[in-house]
Amino acid sequence: NAGVTQTPKFRILKIGQSMTLQCTQDMNHNYMYWYRQDPGMGLKLIYYSVGAGITDKGEVPNGYNVSRSTTEDFPLRLELAAPSQTSVYFCASTLAGSYEQYFGPGTRLTVT
Amino acid sequence: GQQLNQSPQSMFIQEGEDVSMNCTSSSIFNTWLWYKQDPGEGPVLLIALYKAGELTSNGRLTAQFGITRKDSFLNISASIPSDVGIYFCARSNTGNQFYFGTGTSLTVIP
Repeated sequence: NAGVTQTPKFRILKIGQSMTLQCTQDMNHNYMYWYRQDPGMGLKLIYYSVGAGITDKGEVPNGYNVSRSTTEDFPLRLELAAPSQTSVYFCASTLAGSYEQYFGPGTRLTVT
Repeated sequence: GQQLNQSPQSMFIQEGEDVSMNCTSSSIFNTWLWYKQDPGEGPVLLIALYKAGELTSNGRLTAQFGITRKDSFLNISASIPSDVGIYFCARSNTGNQFYFGTGTSLTVIP
């Protein structure tokens, strides 16, 4: 098992550009999550999904969109990048009923 | 109601010393979780606590779920250099959403 994989590892965007952060898990987990981590801060939940076709907002969803067409994939879309979206983004997954989240290695995004 | 206050913010200790950190909230929760994040990596779950008063160990790590359900602590005994990292508490009521503390950065001096 590869676990949770994220691509790209690093990306620099100009203000107003768009991009998709990819996340894939091969553990057949129902639940998937996107977090952002700002320097010196904990993780804040952006969006989550409890299964294919179902997504819901977390604490900080503004400026982001997600989709969940398959169990394995949970991409995060930034439509109009802003400097405030400079952060490290983590994807995570877990089985329904379990509190043990498995995290990917993160994507470091800079918007200038 | 979602905020978790974690202290201390950072710690610098000598190898072999014991470490204690805690997490408090103004609301009660069903589950407390403790994670460790190594530099450049995602967090990894260390201990999960499900009942008020529960005391759970994982090797040199011990964590407790406070009786009031508003706090939790994590102890590390006989610290070693690989304990370096950021320790996060997190909580969840439903298993759908998780809220993280701001972290305790631990530096172990050999």
